[in-house]
Amino acid sequence: DQQVKQNSPSLSVQEGRISILNCDYTNSMFDYFLWYKKYPAEGPTFLISISSIKDKNEDGRFTVFLNKSAKHLSLHIVPSQPGDSAVYFCAASEETGANNLFFGTGTRLTVIP
Amino acid sequence: GAVVSQHPSRVICKSGTSVKIECRSLDFQATTMFWYRQFPKQSLMLMATSNEGSKATYEQGVEKDKFLINHASLTLSTLTVTSAHPEDSSFYICSATPGSLVRIGGYTFGSGTRLTVV
Repeated sequence: DQQVKQNSPSLSVQEGRISILNCDYTNSMFDYFLWYKKYPAEGPTFLISISSIKDKNEDGRFTVFLNKSAKHLSLHIVPSQPGDSAVYFCAASEETGANNLFFGTGTRLTVIP
Repeated sequence: GAVVSQHPSRVICKSGTSVKIECRSLDFQATTMFWYRQFPKQSLMLMATSNEGSKATYEQGVEKDKFLINHASLTLSTLTVTSAHPEDSSFYICSATPGSLVRIGGYTFGSGTRLTVV
């Protein structure tokens, strides 16, 4: 049973425009959410996170929005750059510091120069 | 920043043989390491949690006798896939965290190992 879902397997965006990656979850006990970026043949690298007590967290070009009532979060990248082209995984945990991260299936972002 | 080294990056083995994958934390002591597996177009799935000096904790459905995990030191965990079969072909990734004050964002992942069993 997939508790974290990324329904768009791929996304193409023009350089300079906004990229919006979406993630939905089913477990209401999740209270910490993360986004990871993954290049081919490499492990994921942490990008940004958000606690359930917040609805927005911003770090440079990256902003994560959380809508707890809809069990939905999104990652906004603006402006998008070609180097942002990668697979982005959404992940969730039931409590901060818990070992088990539940990952989505990923969205492949392609930023077109 | 924290660096986790995983070796080998790619391995091809014959069915029935065993393969060992190493995960090393290079600049920090990792009391806890995690092993994940990713099948094509699927999520990263946690296989087991490896704690230094104690037995690994396996997730439901993961055969502990098939996937042997050893965390003998604070900088090294190994995953051995025993009697490998073609269905074990997958991408295996480790991650590590420095200690009891776990910041999830601070999990560092290795570069992964592509295992192909022929």
